[in-house]
Amino acid sequence: KQEVTQIPAALSVPEGENLVLNCSFTDSAIYNLQWFRQDPGKGLTSLLLIQSSQREQTSGRLNASLDKSSGRSTLYIAASQPGDSATYLCAVVAANFGNEKLTFGTGTRLTIIP
Amino acid sequence: DVKVTQSSRYLVKRTGEKVFLECVQDMDHENMFWYRQDPGLGLRLIYFSYDVKMKEKGDIPEGYSVSREKKERFSLILESASTNQTSMYLCASSFVYQGGKLFFGSGTQLSVL
Repeated sequence: KQEVTQIPAALSVPEGENLVLNCSFTDSAIYNLQWFRQDPGKGLTSLLLIQSSQREQTSGRLNASLDKSSGRSTLYIAASQPGDSATYLCAVVAANFGNEKLTFGTGTRLTIIP
Repeated sequence: DVKVTQSSRYLVKRTGEKVFLECVQDMDHENMFWYRQDPGLGLRLIYFSYDVKMKEKGDIPEGYSVSREKKERFSLILESASTNQTSMYLCASSFVYQGGKLFFGSGTQLSVL
């Protein structure tokens, strides 16, 4: 059974710093990996989706990398801002045909200190 | 912009009541999902549907049922609400290719007293 882990559970950094969030998964047979952002009491917003054949995806100040063989992904946030404070979750889709289900990590709660 | 709308933001119900959570999406997505989110446990899939009248159990279907009579609407039903079903419920939708980008509603915080 696929398990997704995000460590640390919480992270605080000063504004302006670059930072890296980590995601690991136990079964490397994935179809893709997604990073989401969740603000308190709200739903999830998809940030980046990396297909299993890709190594990274970029959107603005965000860069996500994928190392499928080692079961790891990172989300890099450049020049952090207070508005980046949120919980960040990663999720993987299994490579089984017809399996649309995502397995989520429990998230990293990020606080950017002004 | 894709919109996934959940009918209630907050809901308070009593033990034993039948509870309906409604979700509507406006992007003609084939796939729709119901998750619950609990502190320390993350998101867990309850049910999903890949077409009208089609459904599949997720990881924690016990105590829940679903209905999808129209493509845009996916309902989660708690047949007899219990206190351990107090949770944040999140609906999501996506196109039907494997691993499609997921769009979430803003969630329903359900309290069962």
